[in-house]
Amino acid sequence: EAQVTQNPRYLITVTGKKLTVTCSQNMNHEYMSWYRQDPGLGLRQIYYSMNVEVTDKGDVPEGYKVSRKEKRNFPLILESPSPNQTSLYFCASQPQGRSGNTIYFGEGSWLTVV
Amino acid sequence: GQNIDQPTEMTATEGAIVQINCTYQTSGFNGLFWYQQHAGEAPTFLSYNVLDGLEEKGRFSSFLSRSKGYSYLLLKELQMKDSASYLCAVRDGNAGNMLTFGGGTRLMVKP
Repeated sequence: EAQVTQNPRYLITVTGKKLTVTCSQNMNHEYMSWYRQDPGLGLRQIYYSMNVEVTDKGDVPEGYKVSRKEKRNFPLILESPSPNQTSLYFCASQPQGRSGNTIYFGEGSWLTVV
Repeated sequence: GQNIDQPTEMTATEGAIVQINCTYQTSGFNGLFWYQQHAGEAPTFLSYNVLDGLEEKGRFSSFLSRSKGYSYLLLKELQMKDSASYLCAVRDGNAGNMLTFGGGTRLMVKP
């Protein structure tokens, strides 16, 4: 079954404590990306990756890091989380080329920073 | 960059038809998507337009005019379960084909 899996699904953490949200896809997709969703602001892209070792900033990259060492994994790293990073996070993947008109989303990760 | 606008909220009656509009500005247009999202859940794919015209899929249709930077999603025979947010997203070929989403339109279907 085609899947994008992200963990944890729910997390409450404290300001400044480093955390990583993992994302893994089993479809051999080239493109992967991270979004955050906040009330009234829709989905905003944090970072995206076009392939292994190729990453680029999205619209709201401040406070986040990513890595793409393997094709299937695209972890989101919050080195020093702050309360304004409390949000719902989605990882997504899509294939390259003409078949790239379907984007697969993970189930979302609810993150609260206190 | 891209600018995508859609209404924040709409209300419609069960069994009726509703049209959700989306306007966009982008330098490298390479497709427009509509997604449905229920509260707290991941978006689910509804439709994709890259050429001008109407794409029909059951009760849902999506229209695109590239020259006008305009799309709409048409929902027919509304059901209560159609109450959700509807997200318009544009793919930019000048930015690695990544998507930019509008703020979403929250649709409330009333009996």
